[in-house]
Amino acid sequence: QKEVEQNSGPLSVPEGAIASLNCTYSDRGSQSFFWYRQYSGKSPELIMSIYSNGDKEDGRFTAQLNKASQYVSLLIRDSQPSDSATYLCAGLRATNKLIFGTGTLLAVQP
Amino acid sequence: DAMVIQNPRYQVTQFGKPVTLSCSQTLNHNVMYWYQQKSSQAPKLLFHYYDKDFNNEADTPDNFQSRRPNTSFCFLDIRSPGLGDAAMYLCATSRGGEQFFGPGTRLTVL
Repeated sequence: QKEVEQNSGPLSVPEGAIASLNCTYSDRGSQSFFWYRQYSGKSPELIMSIYSNGDKEDGRFTAQLNKASQYVSLLIRDSQPSDSATYLCAGLRATNKLIFGTGTLLAVQP
Repeated sequence: DAMVIQNPRYQVTQFGKPVTLSCSQTLNHNVMYWYQQKSSQAPKLLFHYYDKDFNNEADTPDNFQSRRPNTSFCFLDIRSPGLGDAAMYLCATSRGGEQFFGPGTRLTVL
């Protein structure tokens, strides 16, 4: 079992819809989680950080963390074609290391 | 703007010819990381520095070395690049968990 698991996709949503990206993790020692967006050929860009159970909203993005279920999600409201990218979920170990999932490819259809 | 800078952005080398990739940061972060990322894969951690303390991942090949002469700069040396080392090399920095990536160096090995 991988430490951080994501569905590789592609996840296809129409423009204006809500995109829901999911991630599960196995290490209960991971307390902080991050979502990165990565366009093809570019480096990962941090878009959301979440440290405690519940929801955290930033503009069109909402991150959700459920430590009991070991589940992290990212909702993107009013999806735009420019949101089409790979979304990487990552958990932070106490050793300052991020453990990445393999990413979910999101395709927003105009 | 505070940022992470990588040079060069594109590097072409010959099989077996040593190459050095550089990273600098103006964020004054105490932790710096080197990742290797191949197509459709998650970033793979090679090393990280916590201040001057060097941490090598167990599966990082001996062919890869790193130097951090001061807080701002970090170098990745590939002593004898093989075809399998062709990848995007990402530098990242962090303070307190969130990691911020540079634009990456795309390495091609001929």
